[in-house]
Amino acid sequence: NAGVTQTPKFQVLKTGQSMTLQCAQDMNHEYMSWYRQDPGMGLRLIHYSVGAGITDQGEVPNGYNVSRSTTEDFPLRLLSAAPSQTSVYFCASSSSGQGVETQYFGPGTRLLVL
Amino acid sequence: AQSVSQHNHHVILSEAASLELGCNYSYGGTVNLFWYVQYPGQHLQLLLKYFSGDPLVKGIKGFEAEFIKSKFSFNLRKPSVQWSDTAEYFCAVSEVRFGAGTRLTVKP
Repeated sequence: NAGVTQTPKFQVLKTGQSMTLQCAQDMNHEYMSWYRQDPGMGLRLIHYSVGAGITDQGEVPNGYNVSRSTTEDFPLRLLSAAPSQTSVYFCASSSSGQGVETQYFGPGTRLLVL
Repeated sequence: AQSVSQHNHHVILSEAASLELGCNYSYGGTVNLFWYVQYPGQHLQLLLKYFSGDPLVKGIKGFEAEFIKSKFSFNLRKPSVQWSDTAEYFCAVSEVRFGAGTRLTVKP
């Protein structure tokens, strides 16, 4: 199993540009989530999904969209990038979510918005 | 709302020293507690977790944590650290609320 994969590893954007961060898992996990990691703030939940077709907002959803058309994929879209969105983004998955099962994290995407 | 506090921002130890990283949470109900580690340049990995039962939980690489319900704490411990333990450590409640992290530097 590849586990949780994320692309790209690094990305530089200009303010106002849009992009999609890709996340895929091959463990047939129902629960997937996106976090951003900023210095001194730990990980903050952006959006999550409890299954295909179901998504919900986390702690810091503004400026981000998600969709879950398949169990495997959970892309994160930045609609109009802002410097405040410079961060490291982690995707994670687990079999049931909501703190019941262990989450598996992807390697992260480092995003710089100029 | 749930919150997680990690008391130490940066801890520096010499090899063989004992480690204790503090974690306190605020939530009145049943909680599931986790410690994750992030080695330099790598993604988060689970160290240990507590759901119920024995409040002393043993994890990988010689780490353990003790859940003290009355103190709302879940401190991480290791009797003797190694240089390879240099990493950032995150406490989490129910995996949706993470602490700010504690950076551990172990000097050889």
